[in-house]
Amino acid sequence: QSVLTQPPSVSGAPGQRVTISCTGSSSNIGAGYDVHWYQQLPGTAPKLLIYVNSNRPSGVPDRFSGSKSGTSASLAITGLQAEDEADYYCQSYDSSLSAWVFGGGTKLTVL
Amino acid sequence: QVQLQESGPGLVKPSETLSLTCAVSGYSISSGYYWGWIRLAPGKGLEWIGSLYRSGTTYYNPSLKSRVTISVDTSKNQFSLKLTSVTAADTAVYYCARVTCSSGSCYSEHWGQGTLVTVSS
Repeated sequence: QSVLTQPPSVSGAPGQRVTISCTGSSSNIGAGYDVHWYQQLPGTAPKLLIYVNSNRPSGVPDRFSGSKSGTSASLAITGLQAEDEADYYCQSYDSSLSAWVFGGGTKLTVL
Repeated sequence: QVQLQESGPGLVKPSETLSLTCAVSGYSISSGYYWGWIRLAPGKGLEWIGSLYRSGTTYYNPSLKSRVTISVDTSKNQFSLKLTSVTAADTAVYYCARVTCSSGSCYSEHWGQGTLVTVSS
């Protein structure tokens, strides 16, 4: 059971918009700790997608956006493309555990 | 461009010690940043194992702290992971990463390709 809760799977048709939620608690996201997002394509290492809640590293398309509110964060992907099919993970810090923590991951399927 | 490459045995026997090394190129470990290990077990999510700063200061996941040691060899520009008393639950793909920390917020911007370690007799 991960400290940060993500839906196991989401899906959408090409061109559509999907969101992936990351729900935490008062000891992590709700305490003000930043959220970061990673994309893991099949057979590859995770890739930083969003850092510090809503910032995109160079080279990440602006179709990807992040937001944070209260004890949750969200990753939104617009104009869904086949190459977006991957696993997505959120990450934050938990003060009760004194550890950096990840969500359980969400598998995005492009229909 | 910084690159990281994990190496080590792909098979470890139960109760023995898992040892991995991460060779860094394109950046000197002693110049800064944090350096960490993260793993992905089959059917599970990513798990932070621990991180190390260039000074040698280490931070470990409390759930693994009693079994983990992360160390650095600046002369070889590499850092290492040792995990003792392994069980089947330690079977995972192990990644090393360069970690950027700013105002207490840390994220991994550069990752190695990962190496699968299986714990089995």
